[in-house]
Amino acid sequence: GDSVTQMEGPVTLSEEAFLTINCTYTATGYPSLFWYVQYPGEGLQLLLKATKADDKGSNKGFEATYRKETTSFHLEKGSVQVSDSAVYFCALSGVTGGGNKLTFGTGTQLKVEL
Amino acid sequence: DSGVTQTPKHLITATGQRVTLRCSPRSGDLSVYWYQQSLDQGLQFLIQYYNGEERAKGNILERFSAQQFPDLHSELNLSSLELGDSALYFCASSVSLQGASPLHFGNGTRLTVT
Repeated sequence: GDSVTQMEGPVTLSEEAFLTINCTYTATGYPSLFWYVQYPGEGLQLLLKATKADDKGSNKGFEATYRKETTSFHLEKGSVQVSDSAVYFCALSGVTGGGNKLTFGTGTQLKVEL
Repeated sequence: DSGVTQTPKHLITATGQRVTLRCSPRSGDLSVYWYQQSLDQGLQFLIQYYNGEERAKGNILERFSAQQFPDLHSELNLSSLELGDSALYFCASSVSLQGASPLHFGNGTRLTVT
């Protein structure tokens, strides 16, 4: 079945550092790929998405490129801020029977310190 | 604000009891999803409805059931509750069944079973 593997956290960085959170996936066909972010006490928010190979999703300085050859969708940001502290989830969309659903990775907690 | 409304925000109940969680999707969204988030299991897909019909089923226990009503709101019923059912339950909605269509999440209902 579909699965998503993310790097374990927590990841602790200083403000303005470069961020990479690794994500690899296993899926049949050509899934769409997503990054969601969860701030404390809130639901998940869509951060960015990519729907086909070599697509680059970007939002708020975050980027991720859909790499079919390596089945990866790594999240990057050039300069993190304290406000980026949150849990980040990689996910893929798979079709199952008559429906579709997101399969999530385990989440990676990011802590950014001054 | 995602536009997805979940009630109640918190629920504390005893083992063996039954509870109902309610979700109102974003205006215009026909598809509703339920997810369970716990520390040991991560985000687990439970069930999906589209325009009133069940479309996909995940790791949903037989003690749990859900439905989507004609006005598109959805309810998740949890019965014979056990301590292990304590978790954050999220509802999400999307406009279609297409894999590229992102899910929009509510802020969740935190269930505590004592």
